[in-house]
Amino acid sequence: DAKTTQPNSMESNEEEPVHLPCNHSTISGTDYIHWYRQLPSQGPEYVIHGLTSNVNNRMASLAIAEDRKSSTLILHRATLRDAAVYYCILSPRPLNDYKLSFGAGTTVTVRA
Amino acid sequence: DAGVIQSPRHEVTEMGQEVTLRCKPISGHNSLFWYRQTMMRGLELLIYFNNNVPIDDSGMPEDRFSAKMPNASFSTLKIQPSEPRDSAVYFCAIQRGRPNYGYTFGSGTRLTVV
Repeated sequence: DAKTTQPNSMESNEEEPVHLPCNHSTISGTDYIHWYRQLPSQGPEYVIHGLTSNVNNRMASLAIAEDRKSSTLILHRATLRDAAVYYCILSPRPLNDYKLSFGAGTTVTVRA
Repeated sequence: DAGVIQSPRHEVTEMGQEVTLRCKPISGHNSLFWYRQTMMRGLELLIYFNNNVPIDDSGMPEDRFSAKMPNASFSTLKIQPSEPRDSAVYFCAIQRGRPNYGYTFGSGTRLTVV
């Protein structure tokens, strides 16, 4: 399986945007990019996923590089509730039958 | 998340005892997954089912671990006999369908084996 590389930790101020990078230089043409987050004492939570085009939903935006070797999860206005571990994960198609392998993720701290 | 109910939330047991963790997915799904999380190893996939059939159990650490899914609404993960190194948080997850295809995780069972 293709690997992802994320920074161990990031800090942000409340109400400011957060840009979480993810490198996946060995991504294949059929791999989807997923982002999950895990709040303290909870199970992981789906955030967003994409294949080639940038994606937006109510939680975040996903910007995918043109060569697909990297992507960035964007939290537009960080709140204290966004403090969590964020995981960037690749999965092959098909999208209706895949398994997720979690790495160490990026621990995001939000300062009030 | 209301989509997956796990029980018990906490379990403390003595080494050598049998432990059964339960997962009840409420919403519709095709696939069900069991994960284990520890500080040392992070989140590890143990086994996953598709249409109630085990597809990949390569993550199950030893024969002491077994999982069943007798129907679409229930799954169990059993450890017999339990050992202190099995102490972890065990998560059950389902894969949602259109339009998100994301996973929905339960709140987990924190297992402590003393």
